[in-house]
Amino acid sequence: EVQLVESGGGLVQPGRSLRLSCAASGFTFDDYAMHWVRQAPGKGLEWVSGISWNSGSIGYADSVKGRFTISRDNAKNSLYLQMNSLRAEDTALYYCAKSWMVRGWFDPWGQGTLVTVSS
Amino acid sequence: SYVLTQPPSVSVAPGQTARITCGGNNIGSKSVHWYQQKPGQAPVLVVYDDSDRPSGIPERFSGSNSGNTATLTISRVEAGDEADYYCQVWDSSSDHQGVFGGGTKLTVL
Repeated sequence: EVQLVESGGGLVQPGRSLRLSCAASGFTFDDYAMHWVRQAPGKGLEWVSGISWNSGSIGYADSVKGRFTISRDNAKNSLYLQMNSLRAEDTALYYCAKSWMVRGWFDPWGQGTLVTVSS
Repeated sequence: SYVLTQPPSVSVAPGQTARITCGGNNIGSKSVHWYQQKPGQAPVLVVYDDSDRPSGIPERFSGSNSGNTATLTISRVEAGDEADYYCQVWDSSSDHQGVFGGGTKLTVL
């Protein structure tokens, strides 16, 4: 069974940093692209970033470009999101999701980790 | 940037057919994926590449895409289909960023 478990969320002050992790199991991690998608409280879904199986192709939403960095460690079956210069509008539930290719569909999704940016 | 437009809400009686639209400029030239999200749960893929269904998704869920509108159709709607539905594409004009529609709340009357 495919499992994606996010961690690393929490309460952080504006301007500070946070690193999210996503532990993957149940599939051959380095065969697939991975993505981060977020959902602000009561709002819709927003794609944040994606990375190809070998990290050769990486993309970011305009809203996070220059502040967030996606990475992966295939030896550890893990996906990461380094978030710097956090803003109140980054407050959201952050999901990781598996994708057949870097611009494919998201399936499945983890349960998410909540990031709250507030002073 | 590419914009996907969904109706905020759709209501349908049990047993009837629900149609949820997703509008975008020449969306027919893109592959559209649909997700179902129930309260407090992560999204679940229900249709990919316009009209394909993942394993485990009932045949009642189908999709189409042409011109400026993609449509998710749910036949013989059940109470358990009540959820938010999101369409998603990739925007090749903006460095291949992912784009979601604003979501549609399906209410089963």
